[in-house]
Amino acid sequence: AQSVTQLDSQVPVFEEAPVELRCNYSSSVSVYLFWYVQYPNQGLQLLLKYLSGSTLVKGINGFEAEFNKSQTSFHLRKPSVHISDTAEYFCAVSEKGGSEKLVFGKGTKLTVNP
Amino acid sequence: SAVISQKPSRDICQRGTSLTIQCQVDSQVTMMFWYRQQPGQSLTLIATANQGSEATYESGFVIDKFPISRPNLTFSTLTVSNMSPEDSSIYLCSVVRGKGEQFFGPGTRLTVL
Repeated sequence: AQSVTQLDSQVPVFEEAPVELRCNYSSSVSVYLFWYVQYPNQGLQLLLKYLSGSTLVKGINGFEAEFNKSQTSFHLRKPSVHISDTAEYFCAVSEKGGSEKLVFGKGTKLTVNP
Repeated sequence: SAVISQKPSRDICQRGTSLTIQCQVDSQVTMMFWYRQQPGQSLTLIATANQGSEATYESGFVIDKFPISRPNLTFSTLTVSNMSPEDSSIYLCSVVRGKGEQFFGPGTRLTVL
């Protein structure tokens, strides 16, 4: 079975500052890794995914994440955030070659202040 | 990507009643998933719905409480039965497109009084 730990439940930052949202996972098998964003009162939107290949993946809205197998981490970064990035961010894993079901972390609430 | 719609978008129900949530996808998919997001919490998988077979439920979820139908490759329903206030959540369906990538519907926000 897989599990996901998002180390920060809330991250407040000022506009134009860099941000890193941390995600660690546990699994006995190879996994796919995802970051989803949920804006207030909206559904989930896929930000980016790691399936294989280059460990640095780029997503929408200027976000990127780096897969680190030795540290079982998949941290999300953005060099300069905007007010509109205020949202809940979820890290998720699924078993490679498995049932496709996602296991989510508890989420990180990113608040960008002016 | 996938275009997924859910009905209703929100509802307020009395305890002891049941609500059926519909999920419609714009094209055929093999697997559909139903998730629950309790207030201020993350998403938890309820069950996997495959067309032509019974749904597979996760630990802690049972068919009597959350019966699921999957009559064809573009549609599924989830019923929340004999509701209590603890069932107040957002219920989301999702589908898989491509390798391991899931797309989510907008969700159904349920409040049980």
